[in-house]
Amino acid sequence: DAGITQSPRHKVTETGTPVTLRCHQTENHRYMYWYRQDPGHGLRLIHYSYGVKDTDKGEVSDGYSVSRSKTEDFLLTLESATSSQTSVYFCAMGLGASYNEQFFGPGTRLTVL
Amino acid sequence: RKEVEQDPGPFNVPEGATVAFNCTYSNSASQSFFWYRQDCRKEPKLLMSVYSSGNEDGRFTAQLNRASQYISLLIRDSKLSDSATYLCAVNGDTPLVFGKGTRLSVIA
Repeated sequence: DAGITQSPRHKVTETGTPVTLRCHQTENHRYMYWYRQDPGHGLRLIHYSYGVKDTDKGEVSDGYSVSRSKTEDFLLTLESATSSQTSVYFCAMGLGASYNEQFFGPGTRLTVL
Repeated sequence: RKEVEQDPGPFNVPEGATVAFNCTYSNSASQSFFWYRQDCRKEPKLLMSVYSSGNEDGRFTAQLNRASQYISLLIRDSKLSDSATYLCAVNGDTPLVFGKGTRLSVIA
């Protein structure tokens, strides 16, 4: 099911460059989330959004910013990529009465050299 | 104590076995509990929500123990296709917090 997509799926970039990852949903859900997943750390929340232009920080927000100008798009920007930001990034949309039932996109594998 | 903790495994079980995973959480105010399944190099997929009274979906049973602050997942009659990493997720004051996952390998 293609209710939520991410682009690009793979990216290699150099230290110090800005990078923007895109998450797109076709379901009109209010809540969206960005996570990173690393061995030994599991899934960690970076930022989340509860509506257009409404965002909040998660556990590991330093070095990341987000924007939500439309319901369907949630962008994650690495302002100046570092090697420690090499990771797999997952976007999710929140469903259910508490918006906690989350459905994930396919992920973006980012390598920072 | 970390917010959500799981035994990382791996659990290696033969086909047909019953296997159980536990997940402990620290926030007594948590109200939403889930189990996710993640295959290698794929996204996590919602397996089931966990309700206060416990719930079952085919071979899978989820239970919540509020007094001891843990949730459990029981898989009966394990299949080769059940091999995956199982993540628990719990909410609290913030959106979901995920455990690091328990790896299950079902062996023929």
